[in-house]
Amino acid sequence: DTAVSQTPKYLVTQMGNDKSIKCEQNLGHDTMYWYKQDSKKFLKIMFSYNNKELIINETVPNRFSPKSPDKAHLNLHINSLELGDSAVYFCASSQSHRGQETQYFGPGTRLLVL
Amino acid sequence: AQSVSQHNHHVILSEAASLELGCNYSYGGTVNLFWYVQYPGQHLQLLLKYFSGDPLVKGIKGFEAEFIKSKFSFNLRKPSVQWSDTAEYFCAADDKIIFGKGTRLHILP
Repeated sequence: DTAVSQTPKYLVTQMGNDKSIKCEQNLGHDTMYWYKQDSKKFLKIMFSYNNKELIINETVPNRFSPKSPDKAHLNLHINSLELGDSAVYFCASSQSHRGQETQYFGPGTRLLVL
Repeated sequence: AQSVSQHNHHVILSEAASLELGCNYSYGGTVNLFWYVQYPGQHLQLLLKYFSGDPLVKGIKGFEAEFIKSKFSFNLRKPSVQWSDTAEYFCAADDKIIFGKGTRLHILP
């Protein structure tokens, strides 16, 4: 019973392509997040959604577009992929966005742009 | 701006050595603090968290952390490390879930 799942686990693609990463949580949480972990292992918040509504949108190129069809899903679509997009992307969820909540992370999606 | 800093980027210890990883935050209001661990090839998982109350927090696998408000610190400690503690450790603070850059811990068998 995976709490937070991401697909695919690995993604290798050419520059300029458009790709999506899917995230699903079965914890009944209201809030979901996308993080980018770069080659130096630095984790940076990209987006956060609470009940399908965007609440955090850090400085991320608008080639990245999150989509939340329902509160259990937060997908990340990336247009016109660039070499610098290569990283591990983590999805996470928490009960709420009030800050006192533990975040549960997915296994990560390793994206390699050639 | 809110920030979280971890001073040690890479720590190498022998088994049974004591561990202390530094974490400082800059946040003016009430702060909630977390330590997450990422074992090789695995995803992030929570080690421990501090919201309020006793500033000495016990976590899983023998880890503990102490919140010192006057020093804006939340250092992670373990009296005797094991080889299986080799991992990346992230300190985090809310709000906006700000992470430190991580500390890579390598335990020599």
